Amino acid sequence: DTGVSQNPRHKITKRGQNVTFRCDPISEHNRLYWYRQTLGQGPEFLTYFQNEAQLEKSRLLSDRFSAERPKGSFSTLEIQRTEQGDSAMYLCASSPRGKQGSYEQYFGPGTRLTVT
Amino acid sequence: QQQVKQSPQSLIVQKGGISIINCAYENTAFDYFPWYQQFPGKGPALLIAIRPDVSEKKEGRFTISFNKSAKQFSLHIMDSQPGDSATYFCAGLNSGGSNYKLTFGKGTLLTVNP
Repeated sequence: DTGVSQNPRHKITKRGQNVTFRCDPISEHNRLYWYRQTLGQGPEFLTYFQNEAQLEKSRLLSDRFSAERPKGSFSTLEIQRTEQGDSAMYLCASSPRGKQGSYEQYFGPGTRLTVT
Repeated sequence: QQQVKQSPQSLIVQKGGISIINCAYENTAFDYFPWYQQFPGKGPALLIAIRPDVSEKKEGRFTISFNKSAKQFSLHIMDSQPGDSATYFCAGLNSGGSNYKLTFGKGTLLTVNP
């Protein structure tokens, strides 16, 4: 399978704990995105990487959230001191080096976080 | 501010019928409009996308109609099948922006009855 992969698929944690999610994009895709999706809503943008550079962070991304993409390959999203409001599906997407008009984003299966 | 408004929230169609989902956008800088299909517990899958220089794009049973002046676009699913039952999301993107982020609608839950 050469699609976007995410691990773990499910994570249950207690409030106040730290969690880390991993995303492996499609090979050679230089753009990587994190989105958050809550029940009954569309995905909401969190942050964007071009290669290893984090170029934008949404206001949704509080100081408890941090994302990295070392060497421009896989990415990690860490949430510190989790709160019940962090419970959501965390989606990763990647898109290829942009040829003219190419903006397709391919999503992974997501990590379902439940904070108890 | 909801930049992409999607309707209806839910839709029930008989097998073989046409499913129509509508979206309206506010940001005139959007110039790429994809539709995604999402099954429960899965990530969204890209179905079809359109740029505003064309008014219609067809891929198999899926067609996007685009009305730039009205800032509206719609997804038509012809010959709807039970396997099409899923949540559909429209989105907009500003390719001239700094981040290529997708702004999604709230989704339409489609049920196709056999």
